[in-house]
Amino acid sequence: GPKVLQIPSHQIIDMGQMVTLNCDPVSNHLYFYWYKQILGQQMEFLVNFYNGKVMEKSKLFKDQFSVERPDGSYFTLKIQPTALEDSAVYFCASSPGGGNTQYFGPGTRLLVL
Amino acid sequence: GEQVEQLPSILRVQEGSSASINCTYENSASNYFPWYKQEPGENPKLIIDIRSNMERKQTQGLIVLLDKKAKRFSLHITDTQPGDSAMYFCAASNSGYNKLTFGKGTVLLVSP
Repeated sequence: GPKVLQIPSHQIIDMGQMVTLNCDPVSNHLYFYWYKQILGQQMEFLVNFYNGKVMEKSKLFKDQFSVERPDGSYFTLKIQPTALEDSAVYFCASSPGGGNTQYFGPGTRLLVL
Repeated sequence: GEQVEQLPSILRVQEGSSASINCTYENSASNYFPWYKQEPGENPKLIIDIRSNMERKQTQGLIVLLDKKAKRFSLHITDTQPGDSAMYFCAASNSGYNKLTFGKGTVLLVSP
């Protein structure tokens, strides 16, 4: 099926540093999402993005978070500065339309020390 | 907003038997209900979904039922196999941009 790629697969950083998580969505998809999953729990919605804009974001999407997709390249999630509670697996997803199936990438495991 | 409750949290069954997972949602405007299977260390994979214009959908040993009146939907896995052992998440969406709200997940263990 359609594949979403995420880079890197793992990232370890010190608290207070900046981190950028990269997502390569399915090529003809128009809607992009970030979800956060803490070990053993469910995925929680962070943000969705369409036509160059954030359409919805949750309370988890703190002021330190930002997303962009410059010129059709990677869809990125930047956290600056990072905090200990940001340690989690971050999943990117994409879908062809707003009401369509979301395909999830393999996740980036972020550990903030 | 939306809240999705999922039960049970752990389900142990014998190979060949059926397994059922139930979810309830709060927002009557929710109109899309996917089910994802997640194996350890892997990404969630869509296994089946149902929209609010349907009450039942079946594919390859999976059945989903939707009761809009009760705001309840369920996944039924017939003839379970050890390969069905995984974490299963239900989700609901009521937004045009398809923000998914997930249940807390069910660990399904199928023993030979």
